[in-house]
Amino acid sequence: AQSVTQPDIHITVSEGASLELRCNYSYGATPYLFWYVQSPGQGLQLLLKYFSGDTLVQGIKGFEAEFKRSQSSFNLRKPSVHWSDAAEYFCAVGASGTYKYIFGTGTRLKVLA
Amino acid sequence: ETGVTQTPRHLVMGMTNKKSLKCEQHLGHNAMYWYKQSAKKPLELMFVYSLEERVENNSVPSRFSPECPNSSHLFLHLHTLQPEDSALYLCASSQEGRGPNEQFFGPGTRLTVL
Repeated sequence: AQSVTQPDIHITVSEGASLELRCNYSYGATPYLFWYVQSPGQGLQLLLKYFSGDTLVQGIKGFEAEFKRSQSSFNLRKPSVHWSDAAEYFCAVGASGTYKYIFGTGTRLKVLA
Repeated sequence: ETGVTQTPRHLVMGMTNKKSLKCEQHLGHNAMYWYKQSAKKPLELMFVYSLEERVENNSVPSRFSPECPNSSHLFLHLHTLQPEDSALYLCASSQEGRGPNEQFFGPGTRLTVL
C-alpha cells in the first residue's frame, strides 16, 4: 500500500541548531516527493520538490532534502534553525499520471530561543 | 489578489444550515482541489477538478457538494453537516501536465459545526 511516514510528531530544537525531519515512503512507482510547511492559520507552502536528477535538492528558506532510494527516504534538513521556522512540516509523495498526493501526518517543530 | 484565496476564513454553522466555501486561484492553473485537514490525521483529498471536470471524488459524503464553474473558481457547498465535519478545509490548484506539479494552497477555511 502507498504510504508516507513521518515518525516524529513533535521536534524541539534550539535556535541556531541543525535540524533533520524524517520522511519515509512506500510507493510502487517512481515517486515525486515534496516537503510543505504550514504556519499556524495558514495553508501549505512548498519548500522543495524532487522529481529526478540530483538527489540533493535545495529549497526555499535555507532548507534542503536528500532522496535516498535504497532507504525510501526523503529527509528534510536545515543547518541552522531560526525561530521563524517553527511550524508544521508535511512530506508528500505523488506520481506521474495521478492527481493524488499522499501526505504524511506532519511534524510539528518548536524552536527554543 | 495573488495565489489562491479562500473565503470565508472562519465559519460556524449549525447542523441544519446550508453554507458554501469559495476558492479562487489567480495562477492560471487548470486543476483545483479540496482537502480536509483534521487534527492528528493526514490531509484528506476530497475532490479534484481538471479543466472544470471532476476527476476525483474520494468517497466523500453527499452533504459535501463541489462546484467548479470555471478554471479559476471552486466552491464547496455544505448542508446538514455533522460535528465531525469540523476541520480546516484547504483549496489548492496546480498546472497539470505530464507529471504531478506542486500544488499551491490557499489559507483554508476553519469550519466549526455545532
